[in-house]
Amino acid sequence: GAGVSQSPSNKVTEKGKDVELRCDPISGHTALYWYRQSLGQGLEFLIYFQGNSAPDKSGLPSDRFSAERTGGSVSTLTIQRTQQEDSAVYLCASSWVAGDYNEQFFGPGTRLTVL
Amino acid sequence: AQSVSQHNHHVILSEAASLELGCNYSYGGTVNLFWYVQYPGQHLQLLLKYFSGDPLVKGIKGFEAEFIKSKFSFNLRKPSVQWSDTAEYFCAPRSYIPTFGRGTSLIVHP
Repeated sequence: GAGVSQSPSNKVTEKGKDVELRCDPISGHTALYWYRQSLGQGLEFLIYFQGNSAPDKSGLPSDRFSAERTGGSVSTLTIQRTQQEDSAVYLCASSWVAGDYNEQFFGPGTRLTVL
Repeated sequence: AQSVSQHNHHVILSEAASLELGCNYSYGGTVNLFWYVQYPGQHLQLLLKYFSGDPLVKGIKGFEAEFIKSKFSFNLRKPSVQWSDTAEYFCAPRSYIPTFGRGTSLIVHP
């Protein structure tokens, strides 16, 4: 079956521009996560969607970052007024249900470069 | 706040050598423990996990990990590594919010 997909795979943008990153989770997965991975760093948790509940946004680094999940499926991470420090690989993951014990299935990531 | 520490950032081994990657976390409540692996050019995937019961858990490809509650540790081991084990390994304890360590880059020479 299809795994988690993300688009675009690479995005180069200029400082100050807005970008949108897309994630298509595995069909039927109710939980969706966004992470950021900078060079030499671990995965930094950004936001977590659980079914129809309000998302946990505790990991978003600033108000320039936002995310939405439409229809309980596709999610879009938006970064406004991008800065060079936003350059990183953005990973999306999904799991069957929300819960501390559930395996996350990861997408290939979007590599964002801010010039 | 929950945090995780992976002690080895870069490990280089020859085939057939034994492997142990350290992972310590700080959280006083119930924590579920995961190791994920990312092979070159591939997505992150689950290697093994621990929730309860036998503190020695086995995962894919001959890997195992031991949960030592008193030490807040969940070290990953493999008795004899192969060239195909070359990858990035992430320890990920979780209590509600998932937390990932910085990762350990393992290179196995044939």
